Amino acid sequence: KAGVTQTPRYLIKTRGQQVTLSCSPISGHRSVSWYQQTPGQGLQFLFEYFSETQRNKGNFPGRFSGRQFSNSRSEMNVSTLELGDSALYLCASGETDRGYGYTFGSGTRLTVV
Amino acid sequence: DAKTTQPPSMDCAEGRAANLPCNHSTISGNEYVYWYRQIHSQGPQYIIHGLKNNETNEMASLIITEDRKSSTLILPHATLRDTAVYYCIVRVARETSGSRLTFGEGTQLTVNP
Repeated sequence: KAGVTQTPRYLIKTRGQQVTLSCSPISGHRSVSWYQQTPGQGLQFLFEYFSETQRNKGNFPGRFSGRQFSNSRSEMNVSTLELGDSALYLCASGETDRGYGYTFGSGTRLTVV
Repeated sequence: DAKTTQPPSMDCAEGRAANLPCNHSTISGNEYVYWYRQIHSQGPQYIIHGLKNNETNEMASLIITEDRKSSTLILPHATLRDTAVYYCIVRVARETSGSRLTFGEGTQLTVNP
């Protein structure tokens, strides 16, 4: 079956702009979670959506938001971009919520200039 | 979630077993041990998980000590494609935890020809 699809793969934005990233989970998976990966902070949990509801949120400012649609596709939005938001943004989907078997996408590489 | 400690790097010869240790001395009785790995520029990949019994799947074996304070991930016949950062994660598997995974710094495993 198809894997987790993240679009776009690469993105360059200017400080102050906003950006929307998309994640299409594996068919049938209801859980979608987002992570930010930077060289300095490593992999950090942003938030998780399950059946269109945000169930868990990491320690990120309110500029980071997300949503999930009825078909389980998810988007995350970052407003008022800062240079420090440059990172690899990863999405993971799962059919359970027990910590195992999550499938990650290849990520979106965001560069803020 | 309990904190984990892993060596920052390890080397292994191709074809030999790779044994990756993880210390989780503060683990609670209801916390599972999960292993993921991340090959360069890709999203993390789930490998295996366990509670207290040893586990084996097509990718690896997980050995958890009787007191559950440490574990070892074993790749029985390492190949060059196993070169990656390996993450040991400890967390409770309950519905309210959602899919949140707390990644540490992991172990960079390099498999040498």
